[in-house]
Amino acid sequence: ETGVTQSPTHLIKTRGQQVTLRCSSQSGHNTVSWYQQALGQGPQFIFQYYREEENGRGNFPPRFSGLQFPNYSSELNVNALELDDSALYLCASSRDDLSPIYFGEGSWLTVV
Amino acid sequence: KNEVEQSPQNLTAQEGEFITINCSYSVGISALHWLQQHPGGGIVSLFMLSSGKKKHGRLIATINIQEKHSSLHITASHPRDSAVYICALNTGNQFYFGTGTSLTVIP
Repeated sequence: ETGVTQSPTHLIKTRGQQVTLRCSSQSGHNTVSWYQQALGQGPQFIFQYYREEENGRGNFPPRFSGLQFPNYSSELNVNALELDDSALYLCASSRDDLSPIYFGEGSWLTVV
Repeated sequence: KNEVEQSPQNLTAQEGEFITINCSYSVGISALHWLQQHPGGGIVSLFMLSSGKKKHGRLIATINIQEKHSSLHITASHPRDSAVYICALNTGNQFYFGTGTSLTVIP
């Protein structure tokens, strides 16, 4: 039990649609990060938020955006979905850079 | 050039063997994480290192900041250790992941 919960666990979307994935972190976890993991691949860093501000971003286009809220929840939004966006999306949180990181179970997104 | 190199990519061991997985990196880091991922998703953080050595049960992780190298050791390996082990770097505002080591422990 990591204290990080993600929803939904599975969803199917059509190409061109928009999706919002949600993550709820432990109280006091000021840092949240999101990752994309395609089938058979390692995780890829999408972006990181600290105290509701984005403070790091990987090599993902602007149609991937996020929000972090004061209640330690966060969202990943993906616009104009493409088939290659089909993947497991993982959320992870920690107190700060030097604290252990806790992962959620992920949201499986299939784009058809 | 990859920021993090992990080896070996695949590893098969007999139950009871001592296992070592290596991670070398080329960027400055605030912390290095060793992660375990079982088939089907779920990632578990095993260790977070910024210096020295940590031990938890049969698992030991070490890091040499000057040499930019870390190792994960599993003593007395067991079939339930079969999983993918991933080295991940936190640079403060970026995460870089190794390609993972797929470990299979045979009874």
